[in-house]
Amino acid sequence: GQNIDQPTEMTATEGAIVQINCTYQTSGFNGLFWYQQHAGEAPTFLSYNVLDGLEEKGRFSSFLSRSKGYSYLLLKELQMKDSASYLCAVRDVGTGGFKTIFGAGTRLFVKA
Amino acid sequence: GAGVSQSPSNKVTEKGKDVELRCDPISGHTALYWYRQSLGQGLEFLIYFQGNSAPDKSGLPSDRFSAERTGGSVSTLTIQRTQQEDSAVYLCASSLDLAGAGSYEQYFGPGTRLTVT
Repeated sequence: GQNIDQPTEMTATEGAIVQINCTYQTSGFNGLFWYQQHAGEAPTFLSYNVLDGLEEKGRFSSFLSRSKGYSYLLLKELQMKDSASYLCAVRDVGTGGFKTIFGAGTRLFVKA
Repeated sequence: GAGVSQSPSNKVTEKGKDVELRCDPISGHTALYWYRQSLGQGLEFLIYFQGNSAPDKSGLPSDRFSAERTGGSVSTLTIQRTQQEDSAVYLCASSLDLAGAGSYEQYFGPGTRLTVT
C-alpha cells in the first residue's frame, strides 16, 4: 500500500530556516510534490521531484532520496505569510493508473 | 484565463439526500482530479480522469459515490443517500497532462464545503 508520514506541527521564527521532512512508502513511485495550503484555501503547488537531489526555487528548496523514501522541504528567510500547512504528496503508478497520495500535512507556525 | 471553478461553494443537505458537485477545469487541461478533505486532515484521493475516462474508481469511498466527465471538460461528483460522514470539503484539481512535464502542477479549485445534517 501507500503511506506518507510528516510531522503534524512545527514552529519557527521569522527570518530563520525550517526543514519539513516527509517519508513515504509506495510501490510505483512516479514523483513527489510539495503543496502549500493556507487555512480555508485550496492547496497551491510548490515543487516537484522525480530524481534524487535538491531542487531550488527562490526561498524554497525540495530534496528527494528515492532509495530512502525521504524528502524534505526547506524554507529560508521565513516570513509570517509562510504560516500554512505544507502537504507532501506522492504520485503512485499502478495497475489502476495514476494516483496522487497526500500526507496529512505539516502545520507551520511562524512567530515574530 | 480563469482557474478551476467549483459549484456550489457551500452545500448543506439532509442525510439521505443526493447531491451533485460540479467542477470546471482550466480550459485545455486533460487531467482532472477529485479529492476530499475533512477538517484538519490531508487530502484523500477519490478519482482522476484522463479525458472523459476514469481508469481507476477504487478511491471512491463507497458505491454511493460516482463521477463523470463529459466533453473532456466539466466533471460532476454525485453522492447518493448522503451520510454525515460525507461532510467534508470536496476539492477538484486539473493539470495539463496526466504524465510528463504537464502533469507536475495540479491547479486546485476553491472546493465545495458539504455539510450533511
